[in-house]
Amino acid sequence: GQNIDQPTEMTATEGAIVQINCTYQTSGFNGLFWYQQHAGEAPTFLSYNVLDGLEEKGRFSSFLSRSKGYSYLLLKELQMKDSASYLCAVRDSNYQLIWGAGTKLIIKP
Amino acid sequence: DADVTQTPRNRITKTGKRIMLECSQTKGHDRMYWYRQDPGLGLRLIYYSFDVKDINKGEISDGYSVSRQAQAKFSLSLESAIPNQTALYFCATSDLHRDYNEQFFGPGTRLTVL
Repeated sequence: GQNIDQPTEMTATEGAIVQINCTYQTSGFNGLFWYQQHAGEAPTFLSYNVLDGLEEKGRFSSFLSRSKGYSYLLLKELQMKDSASYLCAVRDSNYQLIWGAGTKLIIKP
Repeated sequence: DADVTQTPRNRITKTGKRIMLECSQTKGHDRMYWYRQDPGLGLRLIYYSFDVKDINKGEISDGYSVSRQAQAKFSLSLESAIPNQTALYFCATSDLHRDYNEQFFGPGTRLTVL
């Protein structure tokens, strides 16, 4: 079966750095997405990786290792507004997105 | 501003009732999707449509039906609602010609079936 694993919840301190991991086992691979979802709101697109390596976009970076079935999202200089759930999704061989359950990130002052 | 909208935003209904959730988009995207989100679970695909004449079942289509009335409109129906269909429902769109073909989500409809 297809599976995406992420930690359920993480806590970090304002101003610090946090890394959210995602491991996947899917039928084929056509890219990995990270989305941010604030409570009760729509998911919004953060990043996309299809080749191995690091993609940097401001305070957020995303890393992919296809051979290990692994990705992480790195958030730097954490702000209170970063408190949200972070969803990892893999596009499979049928070009459908398989979604992880999300990681709830709690930022403390 | 180009957007994805959903109506209603909240709905409470009773078991056995027929319910329609509507989605409209002004992004000009060809692809549209319906997902449900339950606590502790990832988003699960119900139906998707790549154009007006193309409708496909997703992972959990049983108990649901859809209609793509136009490129901009995609409706989800629950023919006879049951309590385990209580969930947060999202419509999403995407454009094959965008670099990543990422999905853009509507604000969601919170459905409660009593």
